[in-house]
Amino acid sequence: AQSVTQPDIHITVSEGASLELRCNYSYGATPYLFWYVQSPGQGLQLLLKYFSGDTLVQGIKGFEAEFKRSQSSFNLRKPSVHWSDAAEYFCAVGPSGNTPLVFGKGTRLSVIA
Amino acid sequence: KAGVTQTPRYLIKTRGQQVTLSCSPISGHRSVSWYQQTPGQGLQFLFEYFSETQRNKGNFPGRFSGRQFSNSRSEMNVSTLELGDSALYLCASSLGKVPEAFFGQGTRLTVV
Repeated sequence: AQSVTQPDIHITVSEGASLELRCNYSYGATPYLFWYVQSPGQGLQLLLKYFSGDTLVQGIKGFEAEFKRSQSSFNLRKPSVHWSDAAEYFCAVGPSGNTPLVFGKGTRLSVIA
Repeated sequence: KAGVTQTPRYLIKTRGQQVTLSCSPISGHRSVSWYQQTPGQGLQFLFEYFSETQRNKGNFPGRFSGRQFSNSRSEMNVSTLELGDSALYLCASSLGKVPEAFFGQGTRLTVV
């Protein structure tokens, strides 16, 4: 069965510092890959996606992610974090077009001044 | 383009009652998926409907059911509510050919 691992439950970074959130997946082929962000009590907002092609993908709010096939990873990065980035971040895998997304447990990001 | 709309946003129900949640997908999207989100279990997939047919189903008891109408709007129903059903229920819509899903704001269900 497909699985997604986000090793960090909670990360705290200073405003202006760089950020990297880790995501590893278990799946035989290259799946569709996504990062979502969720503010408290809200739904999930799609940050970025990887289907194929260039392994470095750009998303909204200044986020980017890099797909590394050899490591089965899809890590999310941002060069300079803003206080408004504090939220929960979910990595998700879609094995195919007609199967549901599988989500990681999420990483909660706190931003300090 | 309007996003995914879920109603109601908040619900308080008593144990043993039943509840119906509604989801209106993005125009043109034919797939609607439902997820339950709790602090302990994270995001758990309930079921997915595509063109009025249940295409995928998660591992939830039969008390959880859903349906999709010809206009792609979807409802989910939970019967005989239990305290453990308290959660944020999220609906997501997609075109159905790739799993790029767009989520609604969710319905917060509290069972007392």
